Amino acid sequence: DVVLTQTPPTLSATIGQSVSISCRSSQSLLHSNGNTYLHWLLQRPGQSPQLLIYLVSRLESGVPNRFSGSGSGTDFTLKISGVEAEDLGVYYCVQGTHAPRTFGGGTKLELK
Amino acid sequence: QVQLKESGPGLVQPSQTLSLTCTVSGFSLTSYNVHWVRQPPGKGLEWMGVIWSGGNTDYNSALKPRLSISRDTSKSQVFLTMNSLQTEDTGIYYCNAGGFAYWGQGTLVTVSS
Repeated sequence: DVVLTQTPPTLSATIGQSVSISCRSSQSLLHSNGNTYLHWLLQRPGQSPQLLIYLVSRLESGVPNRFSGSGSGTDFTLKISGVEAEDLGVYYCVQGTHAPRTFGGGTKLELK
Repeated sequence: QVQLKESGPGLVQPSQTLSLTCTVSGFSLTSYNVHWVRQPPGKGLEWMGVIWSGGNTDYNSALKPRLSISRDTSKSQVFLTMNSLQTEDTGIYYCNAGGFAYWGQGTLVTVSS
C-alpha cells in the first residue's frame, strides 16, 4: 500500500501567519492517465472532513484562495497564506492513484 | 444538493456484526462512487472500501475478510456489513462520494459488552 507521510504532525501558528504542510508518498502518484490523484482535506473539531484541494492544486468550490496546493510525483505541499481562526483543525492528504486509497497521518494546526 | 447520511445501531457487542446504511440524495448511485471511511477516537482516517458506480466493490485488504459493501439503487442506499467486531473497531464511520467532495455527518459505533 502507498504510505503518505505528513510533516509536521503539529503546527502552531498565529493569525495571519503563512504555513505549509508536506505530504510525501512512498510511490509516485502520477497515474497512467496523466492525472495525479492527491487531495487535501480539513477536519475541523467535531466535524466531518472537508475537501480543500483536489488533483494536487485545484481549489474546491467555495474554498478560500488563501489555500493552495503544489507538487508532483512523490512530494506535495499545502500552503495557507494567512491563517485565519476557522482554519484550525487537522489536515489530511489522501491519494487515489493506487489501490487501496490511503490517507496521511494528519497535521494538526493550532493557535500559538 | 448532494447529501449523505449514515445510520446504524450505535452499540455493537464484541464478535457481533455491524450493519450501517448510507442514504444519499441529490445524485444517483449509478453515477457516483461511494466510499466508507472510519476514524477511531482521537486518531486519523482509514479507508475501508468502495462501491463503484457500476456496482463493483473494492476493499481495504486488512478488512476484506470480514467486510462487505452493497447497495440498493432504487432506495438510494449503500450498505456496509462487517462481522467479528472487536473493540478496536470503535469509531466514527463515514460514507463519502464525489471524490471526497461530499461527506455524511458520520455515525459513532461503539463495540462494547
